[in-house]
Amino acid sequence: AQKITQTQPGMFVQEKEAVTLDCTYDTSDPSYGLFWYKQPSSGEMIFLIYQGSYDQQNATEGRYSLNFQKARKSANLVISASQLGDSAMYFCADTNFGNEKLTFGTGTRLTIIP
Amino acid sequence: DAGITQSPRYKITETGRQVTLMCHQTWSHSYMFWYRQDLGHGLRLIYYSAAADITDKGEVPDGYVVSRSKTENFPLTLESATRSQTSVYFCASSESRVGGKLFFGSGTQLSVL
Repeated sequence: AQKITQTQPGMFVQEKEAVTLDCTYDTSDPSYGLFWYKQPSSGEMIFLIYQGSYDQQNATEGRYSLNFQKARKSANLVISASQLGDSAMYFCADTNFGNEKLTFGTGTRLTIIP
Repeated sequence: DAGITQSPRYKITETGRQVTLMCHQTWSHSYMFWYRQDLGHGLRLIYYSAAADITDKGEVPDGYVVSRSKTENFPLTLESATRSQTSVYFCASSESRVGGKLFFGSGTQLSVL
């Protein structure tokens, strides 16, 4: 079974600093995808970034980048120049190609301090 | 408006009652999902559907029933609600393609008293 581990229940970061949210995954399938979602206090789930297992380069989306280390089965989210609006829960998720289901980690609550 | 909508937004019910949570999407996405979100567990998959009339169990299906007679609708029924089913329920849909992201509804906050 797929398993996603997020070891940081909560993090506090000073505004404008970069932050790394950790995520490790455990799949034996060679074809998989990795996702990060943000859940602000309003409750909606917002897609941030995607990385495919065969992608050669780390994915980037604006201030978000995914530090993909395949051998270590690690898919950390990096947020550059954090903003107060980045305060939220962040979930890492993975899927094996062909079954479309996402398996989520337990999340990390990020708080940006002014 | 296009998108994925869930109803109701909030629901309070009593143990033993049947409750149906509705989910409707306008994108004609093949895949639809029901997740529940609980503190300490993240989001856990209850049921999913690959197409109309095709459904399958997820990680935590016990006590739930789904149907998908039309591509756009994917209702979730709690046949006899229990307190352990108090949770936030999210419906989601996705295109059937490699890397297809999930689009989530706004969620239904269900309290079983």
